[in-house]
Amino acid sequence: EVQLVESGGGLVQPGGSLRLSCAASGFTLSSYWMTWVRQAPGKGLEWVANINQDGSEKHYVDSVKGRFTISRDNAKNSLHLQMNSLRAEDTAVYYCARDRLNIVFRSWFDPWGQGTLVTVSS
Amino acid sequence: QSVLTQPPSVSGAPGQRVTISCTGSSSNIGADYDVHWYQQLPGTAPKLLIYGNINRPSGVPDRFSGSKSGTSASLAITGLQAEDAADYYCQSYDSSLSGSKVFGTGTKVTVL
Repeated sequence: EVQLVESGGGLVQPGGSLRLSCAASGFTLSSYWMTWVRQAPGKGLEWVANINQDGSEKHYVDSVKGRFTISRDNAKNSLHLQMNSLRAEDTAVYYCARDRLNIVFRSWFDPWGQGTLVTVSS
Repeated sequence: QSVLTQPPSVSGAPGQRVTISCTGSSSNIGADYDVHWYQQLPGTAPKLLIYGNINRPSGVPDRFSGSKSGTSASLAITGLQAEDAADYYCQSYDSSLSGSKVFGTGTKVTVL
């Protein structure tokens, strides 16, 4: 079964850091682009970042550029999101998702993990 | 902010047909980038519903259908059922935003 499981969320103070992880199983991680999507409480979905198969290409939404870093460890079947200088507006459930196609501009997300909650508050 | 606009809510009685629009622009849907749809049941992660504008993944009922024309796309649900009550999001790619996938604003479907 293809599965993604996030971990690492929690409560952090403004300005703090957190590292999210996403464990992949049931497929070869190294064959796919991977993505992080977030959802603030009661709000819609927001694409955050993605990374290509070997980690050489990464893209970020403007609001996290310079603060978040997406990375992957294909040998350990894991995806990560290092979040620094966290702000209250980063509070959200963070989902990892697999990009289904290698043609990024045509791709969709499937499957999604169950999400991990990040709360930025003092 | 979302660059794809959806109606905040739609509703219908069981058995009825409802449609959800997703309006974009010349840098996303109008640029011939594909539109995909996700269903998010309360308290759960989003699930793929329609990919490549019109295609249903295995296991998705044929009550759900997608279409695309010009700078807009639509999701139709025919024979509305109680279990279809959920939030629905469209998603595409926008060439004006570096590497950016974009989501719609989301639509809450209520079954009366």
